[in-house]
Amino acid sequence: ETGVTQSPTHLIKTRGQQVTLRCSSQSGHNTVSWYQQALGQGPQFIFQYYREEENGRGNFPPRFSGLQFPNYSSELNVNALELDDSALYLCASSPPDRKSTGELFFGEGSRLTVL
Amino acid sequence: ILNVEQSPQSLHVQEGDSTNFTCSFPSSNFYALHWYRWETAKSPEALFVMTLNGDEKKKGRISATLNTKEGYSYLYIKGSQPEDSATYLCASHSGGGADGLTFGKGTHLIIQP
Repeated sequence: ETGVTQSPTHLIKTRGQQVTLRCSSQSGHNTVSWYQQALGQGPQFIFQYYREEENGRGNFPPRFSGLQFPNYSSELNVNALELDDSALYLCASSPPDRKSTGELFFGEGSRLTVL
Repeated sequence: ILNVEQSPQSLHVQEGDSTNFTCSFPSSNFYALHWYRWETAKSPEALFVMTLNGDEKKKGRISATLNTKEGYSYLYIKGSQPEDSATYLCASHSGGGADGLTFGKGTHLIIQP
C-alpha cells in the first residue's frame, strides 16, 4: 500500500511568483487536506477536497487555491507569493467515512522558501 | 481556551524513565482529539483519535486520556526508549465534517541514553 507522496520536497521561489505543490493520496483515500506549518508553529488547516470540490477552508486568502483530480490526487497553488508563505506544506489523505477512524495520513511535506 | 495549547514545549527524559505531557483544547463544539508522532524527516503518524469523555487509549508503552468537559488530554510514555524521540502533536477537531484539525505547536521529546 503506497502512502501519501508529495512533490517537490524542497523549492525556492521569489516574492510575487506562483507555486504549485502536488500530492498523491494513499490508495483508497478520497479526501485530501492541506496544512501549512510555519517555523515554530503547529500545522494550520488550509483547505480540504472531497469529490474534486473544496468542502472546507481555514483562514487563508483566496490566493491559496487547490484542485483534486478524479484519481484523488491534489494540487495546492499559491499565487503572488509573500515572504510569510515560507513554510512546510503538508498534505494528508483520509479514507471514505465508512472506513475512517478520523485519523489523517500525512506526506512528508514540501518545504517552500520565498526570497 | 481558544487555541490548542501543548506543554511543555520540549522535554529531555532519561532512557527508561516514564513521562507525560499535556494538551489543552476548546471544550465547546468538541468532536475529536488527535495525537500524532512526528519523527525528524518523516511524516506525522497518528497515535490516537479520541472522541468520548473519559476515554483512555493505549498502544504499546504509549497511552492517552481525554477529558472533554474541561478540555484536556494527557499523553503518557512508559519506560522511554530512544526511538520515542519525536515531536508529539495534538489536534482538536471541532464540529466534525470538513472543518479541519487545529493543531498545537507540539512537544519535542528527546530521550537521552
